[in-house]
Amino acid sequence: AQSVSQHNHHVILSEAASLELGCNYSYGGTVNLFWYVQYPGQHLQLLLKYFSGDPLVKGIKGFEAEFIKSKFSFNLRKPSVQWSDTAEYFCAVIPYGNNRLAFGKGNQVVVIP
Amino acid sequence: DADVTQTPRNRITKTGKRIMLECSQTKGHDRMYWYRQDPGLGLRLIYYSFDVKDINKGEISDGYSVSRQAQAKFSLSLESAIPNQTALYFCATSAGGSTGELFFGEGSRLTVL
Repeated sequence: AQSVSQHNHHVILSEAASLELGCNYSYGGTVNLFWYVQYPGQHLQLLLKYFSGDPLVKGIKGFEAEFIKSKFSFNLRKPSVQWSDTAEYFCAVIPYGNNRLAFGKGNQVVVIP
Repeated sequence: DADVTQTPRNRITKTGKRIMLECSQTKGHDRMYWYRQDPGLGLRLIYYSFDVKDINKGEISDGYSVSRQAQAKFSLSLESAIPNQTALYFCATSAGGSTGELFFGEGSRLTVL
């Protein structure tokens, strides 16, 4: 079955540490890619997205993601996290021409002050 | 005001009761979705609708039904609630086309005792 994989469901790190969250997908063709963030008690918000062009995408709050087509990956990074980055992060993929966005199971990130 | 509004935000009910969760949107989008979020499982699609006359089952539609009353309204019903339907439910919308970007409501937390 086609799927979206996120590893290391729980991540705990200190402020100023670097963060990288992996996302791999199993669709073979052209895809649109997203990272959503869910802060505690809130709904999901778009962090960044990739449709085409430069595979290094800049998002809000200092986040970036890199699309590597050969690895079917779209990893999320932030060089220096803050306590306010504590949240759950979801990778999502929609194959071009498909109707449904598929989500990974999420990464729960806790940043310790 | 939120673009995607869900009611109720919290509901506690008993096994066997009928429950309706309502969603309305002011974004003018044709596409609407209901997702269920459970810890460690990410978001799973229950039903989706691409216009008023279009209803489609998602991954986990058993035990649920939906109604698209208007372009702006999409309600989710649990005909006879059971405890394993205890979850956080999100409504989402998207514009037509295949970009796939979703806009989420703030969620409805349902507890079935």
